Amino acid sequence: AQKVTQAQTEISVVEKEDVTLDCVYETRDTTYYLFWYKQPPSGELVFLIRRNSFDEQNEISGRYSWNFQKSTSSFNFTITASQVVDSAVYFCALSEATEGNNRLAFGKGNQVVVIP
Amino acid sequence: NAGVTQTPKFRVLKTGQSMTLLCAQDMNHEYMYWYRQDPGMGLRLIHYSVGEGTTAKGEVPDGYNVSRLKKQNFLLGLESAAPSQTSVYFCASSYGREVYEQYFGPGTRLTVT
Repeated sequence: AQKVTQAQTEISVVEKEDVTLDCVYETRDTTYYLFWYKQPPSGELVFLIRRNSFDEQNEISGRYSWNFQKSTSSFNFTITASQVVDSAVYFCALSEATEGNNRLAFGKGNQVVVIP
Repeated sequence: NAGVTQTPKFRVLKTGQSMTLLCAQDMNHEYMYWYRQDPGMGLRLIHYSVGEGTTAKGEVPDGYNVSRLKKQNFLLGLESAAPSQTSVYFCASSYGREVYEQYFGPGTRLTVT
């Protein structure tokens, strides 16, 4: 069974500070995919990134960066120089490729509050 | 493209009433999903479909039924609503075959009194 743990429930930062969100996952599959989604106060879910289990290269996209480490089963997400618009709930999710249905197992989410 | 749309956006039901939530996507996606979101619980999969005419149970299927008669539509039914089904319901779709990101609808807020 797949499982995703996001230990931090709410994180408050002052604008321009960096914030890192931790995600730890469990799976028996060798082929799997990891995702981050953002849910702003308006409620919609916005896709941010997808990573497969064979690609451990870390990625930077603007102020966002991701650190994928298979050795520790972690897929952490960092927002650099946070802005008020980054205030949202961020979800980490896992999909096991061998199931063939692409279903996602979500963590419980990290509430990020950026204080101006 | 409208992407993924959900109808209705809000609904209040009394215990025992029935209703159907409609999800529609115009991206020609094979796979569709229904999730529910409760405070502090993240999103949990209710049912999903990997193609027209096929459905399968997810993590929390009890009390719900689904149908996928057309590729672009995925219906979620509550036959006899209970207060425990008060939640925000999200529909999602994806290309299928390979694991691609899922695109989500705007959600339906359901309250059962």
